[in-house]
Amino acid sequence: DTGVSQDPRHKITKRGQNVTFRCDPISEHNRLYWYRQTLGQGPEFLTYFQNEAQLEKSRLLSDRFSAERPKGSFSTLEIQRTEQGDSAMYLCASTTFGQGAGANVLTFGAGSRLTVL
Amino acid sequence: DAKTTQPPSMDCAEGRAANLPCNHSTISGNEYVYWYRQIHSQGPQYIIHGLKNNETNEMASLIITEDRKSSTLILPHATLRDTAVYYCIVSLGGSQGNLIFGKGTKLSVKP
Repeated sequence: DTGVSQDPRHKITKRGQNVTFRCDPISEHNRLYWYRQTLGQGPEFLTYFQNEAQLEKSRLLSDRFSAERPKGSFSTLEIQRTEQGDSAMYLCASTTFGQGAGANVLTFGAGSRLTVL
Repeated sequence: DAKTTQPPSMDCAEGRAANLPCNHSTISGNEYVYWYRQIHSQGPQYIIHGLKNNETNEMASLIITEDRKSSTLILPHATLRDTAVYYCIVSLGGSQGNLIFGKGTKLSVKP
């Protein structure tokens, strides 16, 4: 297993266009997280899934943001009608759900960098 | 908001120990302390975590004070590759804990 994979690594788009990012977690991991990171800030939690169920989505930044994990494996994060303020690094992470501290030991991907012109 | 306070930056000489402090005075009894680091242009990397006792692994040691209001991450022999932003996070375990990152400490290891 090569870890958490994210695609594309870089995306440049024009304001108003839709973009989609894909995350392939570690195969045996049933929890998948999305974070956003802007320059000089720490990662900001957006949403997470356990298998195909989206358990938390109140932190998604607006209704232009949506995420899916239809078969409990890979996930997609879509941003509709992009704005310049959406320019950021979008990070995906995964882990194996369990009780205790290990549930927060996340493996992150390298991220997808979005630039909105 | 993050529940931790860290210095924004620190320097360390290569080969020396790097001691990164973190204050978490409002930590509750069932919250863990986690440390992650982020090397430039990469995703964050898990380092270590602890609840009450000091912990050590192949990457680092974590020292938690007896009152649990602060902790120190120790990199025993820092190398240039340890230059990164280090994040201290407190969180519940299990299904209730999502990691809330602050701005972290930018550690610069110098030759």
